[in-house]
Amino acid sequence: ELKVEQNPLFLSMQEGKNYTIYCNYSTTSDRLYWYRQDPGKSLESLFVLLSNGAVKQEGRLMASLDTKARLSTLHITAAVHDLSATYFCAVDNYGQNFVFGPGTRLSVLP
Amino acid sequence: GAGVSQSPRYKVAKRGQDVALRCDPISGHVSLFWYQQALGQGPEFLTYFQNEAQLDKSGLPSDRFFAERPEGSVSTLKIQRTQQEDSAVYLCASSLVGVPSYGYTFGSGTRLTVV
Repeated sequence: ELKVEQNPLFLSMQEGKNYTIYCNYSTTSDRLYWYRQDPGKSLESLFVLLSNGAVKQEGRLMASLDTKARLSTLHITAAVHDLSATYFCAVDNYGQNFVFGPGTRLSVLP
Repeated sequence: GAGVSQSPRYKVAKRGQDVALRCDPISGHVSLFWYQQALGQGPEFLTYFQNEAQLDKSGLPSDRFFAERPEGSVSTLKIQRTQQEDSAVYLCASSLVGVPSYGYTFGSGTRLTVV
């Protein structure tokens, strides 16, 4: 059974600082996705990582995937308040569905 | 339509009441998924349709949960005799086919509160 973990679950950081969110999963998969969710809103797709070594960047966020370590990272550079949200990683479960992590609730403080 | 549409946006049900949640997928999308998101948690898979066929219902938590997609477009998730533990946001997602490499497009969800 595929299990997905994230850490930290809660992250409070100051504007301008850097930090990394980790997502690790228990069984083989080559596809991993990052989503953002604002309070009371639905899920917004951020990154799609489809192979070992994949790296995607958008603005202050950069995601990478190491399928051998079963690990993905979401790196935040010079955080700003607008990045405050909950971030989920999701892993393709043998093409049947996605298994989501528990989410990392990020608060960026001025 | 332009996106996945879900209705109602909010639903309050008394314990024991039956509810029906609707999902309108993106036009032409063959695959449709339902997820349940409890407060403070990640979404959990409920069921998957390809056209009108329900290919996987392994995530439905009990036989009180029933989903259908009779004409291969709109889908309805029905919960009978609602219980407090059914309170959650129910998310619908669609894709052109299967689990797409580009990921799902999610609807805005229906927030169900059972009182």
